Amino acid sequence: EVQLVESGGALVQPGGSLRLSCAASGFTFSKHLMSWVRQAPGKGLEWVADINQDGNDKQYVDSVKGRFTISRDNANISLYLHLNSLRVDDTAVYYCARGYCGPDRCFRNAFDIWGQGTVVTVSS
Amino acid sequence: QSALTQPPSASGSPGQSVTISCTGTSSDVGGYNYVSWYQQHPGKVPKLMIYEVNKRPSGVPDRFSGSKSGNTASLTVSGLQAEDEADYYCGSFAGIKTVVFGGGTKLTVL
Repeated sequence: EVQLVESGGALVQPGGSLRLSCAASGFTFSKHLMSWVRQAPGKGLEWVADINQDGNDKQYVDSVKGRFTISRDNANISLYLHLNSLRVDDTAVYYCARGYCGPDRCFRNAFDIWGQGTVVTVSS
Repeated sequence: QSALTQPPSASGSPGQSVTISCTGTSSDVGGYNYVSWYQQHPGKVPKLMIYEVNKRPSGVPDRFSGSKSGNTASLTVSGLQAEDEADYYCGSFAGIKTVVFGGGTKLTVL
């Protein structure tokens, strides 16, 4: 079964740090671009970051640049997100999402497999 | 980055068609044919319904279709069914900024 399972979410104080993990299974992880997408309580989706297949191209939304770092380990089929200098407005469910590969190419802006999400709450 | 603009709500009766719009700029929706649409039921994870403006992944019913004109993309749901009631989000490639989503539209089946 194709699956993504996130972990690492927690309650943390403003200014704190966390590391989120996403364990993949059931597909060729190294073939896909991977992303983190978050959803604040009662709000819409926000793309946070993505990383290309071999890990040497990383992109971030402006609001997390310099604070969050995305990485991947293809040997251990895992995706990570390091969150530093956390702010109250970082509070959200964080989803790991797979970039969709169609019949002839792969896409960085279409996400076909999502994990169940891990909750990050930033509060004093 | 600014979110794409979607109407907060839309509705239709069973069997009818409903169209949800998604307005961006020439830097995202209008600049690339890389618009995607997602369906999210309450408490569930998003599901990819449309990619590359008008293509459906395997398993998505052909009642769902996508289109684009200028800076506005649209999702049309034909033959509305009760299970189509959900939140719908558009997303677009935005160049160096990579991906931007719309604020979401709550679709109600009357």
